[in-house]
Amino acid sequence: EDQVTQSPEALRLQEGESSSLNCSYTVSGLRGLFWYRQDPGKGPEFLFTLYSAGEEKEKERLKATLTKKESFLHITAPKPEDSATYLCAVQANRNFNKFYFGSGTKLNVKP
Amino acid sequence: DVKVTQSSRYLVKRTGEKVFLECVQDMDHENMFWYRQDPGLGLRLIYFSYDVKMKEKGDIPEGYSVSREKKERFSLILESASTNQTSMYLCASSFFSVVDNRAQPQHFGDGTRLSIL
Repeated sequence: EDQVTQSPEALRLQEGESSSLNCSYTVSGLRGLFWYRQDPGKGPEFLFTLYSAGEEKEKERLKATLTKKESFLHITAPKPEDSATYLCAVQANRNFNKFYFGSGTKLNVKP
Repeated sequence: DVKVTQSSRYLVKRTGEKVFLECVQDMDHENMFWYRQDPGLGLRLIYFSYDVKMKEKGDIPEGYSVSREKKERFSLILESASTNQTSMYLCASSFFSVVDNRAQPQHFGDGTRLSIL
């Protein structure tokens, strides 16, 4: 069964304290893995797409990496404005229109 | 930038009413989706459409229907609203790359928070 698991459910960091969020997936033939940021009361905002193991993408303090079983979202020297829920989703080769979402990691960065 | 616009941010309706949620995208995307998002349950797919007048059921279609008469517009209809349909509803769109067949991300609207009393 195709599924996505994110950990931890919640993470509290001090400003400047780097950490990583995990997204583990089981899918028959990965077509793409997506990271989103969601602020309270808003829709998810697209961050990155990763296609194959070994690939990395960066944007400001965020860096996403991909292996054959999981993806990490590394947050370097976070700021309070990085506080949000981060969602991971995967798309499988056998179904182009289905996106499997994890339940998210709620990140809180304290000043 | 992709723009997905949902017609209402907040909506309050009564049990038994027929409710219409509208979504418009401005990027000529083939695919459009409706999700609901509930605490502890994450994002659940209700319906999606890969072309005008085409639709497919998602994971939780019961009590809902959809309409896609134009490429840019995708409507979600609650046939007879019930209290268990109180939720955040999210619309998304994506395009299908015929050039390289690569997966493309969904782009979301800001959601409609629907309360059924």
